[in-house]
Amino acid sequence: KNQVEQSPQSLIILEGKNCTLQCNYTVSPFSNLRWYKQDTGRGPVSLTIMTFSENTKSNGRYTATLDADTKQSSLHITASQLSDSASYICVVSATGGFKTIFGAGTRLFVKA
Amino acid sequence: GAGVSQSPSNKVTEKGKDVELRCDPISGHTALYWYRQSLGQGLEFLIYFQGNSAPDKSGLPSDRFSAERTGGSVSTLTIQRTQQEDSAVYLCASSLAGANTEAFFGQGTRLTVV
Repeated sequence: KNQVEQSPQSLIILEGKNCTLQCNYTVSPFSNLRWYKQDTGRGPVSLTIMTFSENTKSNGRYTATLDADTKQSSLHITASQLSDSASYICVVSATGGFKTIFGAGTRLFVKA
Repeated sequence: GAGVSQSPSNKVTEKGKDVELRCDPISGHTALYWYRQSLGQGLEFLIYFQGNSAPDKSGLPSDRFSAERTGGSVSTLTIQRTQQEDSAVYLCASSLAGANTEAFFGQGTRLTVV
């Protein structure tokens, strides 16, 4: 069964600290993995997209990694800011027809 | 347009009524997606359009839900005989054709069935 599991479910960190969010998936055959940021009451916004051959991709203070062998991805946030408080959603797509599976998201709270 | 536009932004309807939600994708985006997000839950895929055709309708929760897209642009999601469990934020996204293109989301329509 195609699944995407994210951990932790929620996370509270102090401003300026780093954090890492995890995503494990069983979607097959793998096409790509995306991380989205969703602010409360807003639509998700894409942070990174990685295909099978890519191991890491950065977008400012956000760095995503992908291990296609273990089917794991992480999103590392460096020097967190209050504006990083949001839900971070891992999305995995399969090849051979449209099949996109969303994770339930990690809710990040950054406190001053 | 500059981004994906959805209307209305909020809709309150009585149980049993029909509702229509509209999505204007980014100009030139041939792929269009509808998702549903219940309170505190993750995103649930509903339907995908490539042009005017919908190759994947597997996410539609019941036959009360239908969607169409005309002219390869605007899409409407119709929910007939609404139920309280239909209350959610309905999100639309669009992208260029191709599996690895970025999807851009609209702000969503918050539907409340009372």
